[in-house]
Amino acid sequence: GQNIDQPTEMTATEGAIVQINCTYQTSGFNGLFWYQQHAGEAPTFLSYNVLDGLEEKGRFSSFLSRSKGYSYLLLKELQMKDSASYLCAVYYGGSQGNLIFGKGTKLSVKP
Amino acid sequence: EPEVTQTPSHQVTQMGQEVILRCVPISNHLYFYWYRQILGQKVEFLVSFYNNEISEKSEIFDDQFSVERPDGSNFTLKIRSTKLEDSAMYFCASLALAGGTDTQYFGPGTRLTVL
Repeated sequence: GQNIDQPTEMTATEGAIVQINCTYQTSGFNGLFWYQQHAGEAPTFLSYNVLDGLEEKGRFSSFLSRSKGYSYLLLKELQMKDSASYLCAVYYGGSQGNLIFGKGTKLSVKP
Repeated sequence: EPEVTQTPSHQVTQMGQEVILRCVPISNHLYFYWYRQILGQKVEFLVSFYNNEISEKSEIFDDQFSVERPDGSNFTLKIRSTKLEDSAMYFCASLALAGGTDTQYFGPGTRLTVL
């Protein structure tokens, strides 16, 4: 079966750093995506990891350990607009790159 | 910047009616997808489409669902006889090329409400 786990909710303070973890057990693995989703809107791409290690993109960084089936998304210098759900998605290949999504982590940023 | 578009943004229908959700993928993309998200739940894969045929479909995508690329730009999802449990956000996504070197771009979604 396919299983992707993330915390359901997290709360952090504006200006702080927050780490959102994701663990996965899937029948195949070709990479891991992080998407941001504001309520009622579409997921928007944040990052993609295919090799182990850290990928940094501005205030956002994503880490992958394939041997541990583990990834995290690190958000620095939190802003109020970062309040959203963060979706971990495994690209397991299939035939044409289908994504399996976790349930998402709802992040609330407070002043 | 090119984007995926979807129409309508919101569709309300009666149970048992047919609905067609429309998507215009990014113009040079070759792979197309439909996902759905029931309120408060995770995004779920429905179907992928390439070279004018279905590549893969999930167990959700039963005989009530069909997809079509009727022309060079549109990609549609049809639900033949809607059920209450079909109420969800439906997202279309497109991908330039497979192999893990590109990302899927999502449209803004169609909120389907079945009464």
